[in-house]
Amino acid sequence: SQQGEEDPQALSIQEGENATMNCSYKTSINNLQWYRQNSGRGLVHLILIRSNEREKHSGRLRVTLDTSKKSSSLLITASRAADTASYFCAPLTGANNLFFGTGTRLTVIP
Amino acid sequence: DVKVTQSSRYLVKRTGEKVFLECVQDMDHENMFWYRQDPGLGLRLIYFSYDVKMKEKGDIPEGYSVSREKKERFSLILESASTNQTSMYLCASSGQGAFYEQYFGPGTRLTVT
Repeated sequence: SQQGEEDPQALSIQEGENATMNCSYKTSINNLQWYRQNSGRGLVHLILIRSNEREKHSGRLRVTLDTSKKSSSLLITASRAADTASYFCAPLTGANNLFFGTGTRLTVIP
Repeated sequence: DVKVTQSSRYLVKRTGEKVFLECVQDMDHENMFWYRQDPGLGLRLIYFSYDVKMKEKGDIPEGYSVSREKKERFSLILESASTNQTSMYLCASSGQGAFYEQYFGPGTRLTVT
């Protein structure tokens, strides 16, 4: 399968804590993207990391990529209740299609 | 502001009906996609299109067809709806370029009874 696989499937934390989600994939990639989905809605692009990058930041988000291990992680710092959502990683393969996994369901408790 | 719209948020159809799901984007994007999302299965690609009148099968095209007569519009057609097509359908678009970030519509939750 070319899809990303997120881990854990579900995560529950207190507001203010950091949340870390992991992603593994199996093929070579051009880049890897992270998306957020609020309940029952469409996905929203969060951040993209290219295959030649190792780390990228955007606001409270930090993404790492290890192409030798075919893995990525998304860190959300100082979480807020509004961060409650499902998070998906999507590797972009040579065919230029994104392959989404089943996501990590994050719950941030106020 | 980037926008992808879908014709309906909720739709209820009967088995055997022909169903049209419409998607419109206002970003002049070349690429458009249809996914379905089911619990435990994630997003699965049904069809995509790289240009007007062009279409490519995704991972699960059986039971579906698509139409792209204009650049901004991509339609998903269920020729004869079945109960196993009850799902959330998501449309997305992306421009040409190195990154292929996708922009999603709000989704259509289709129930086939």
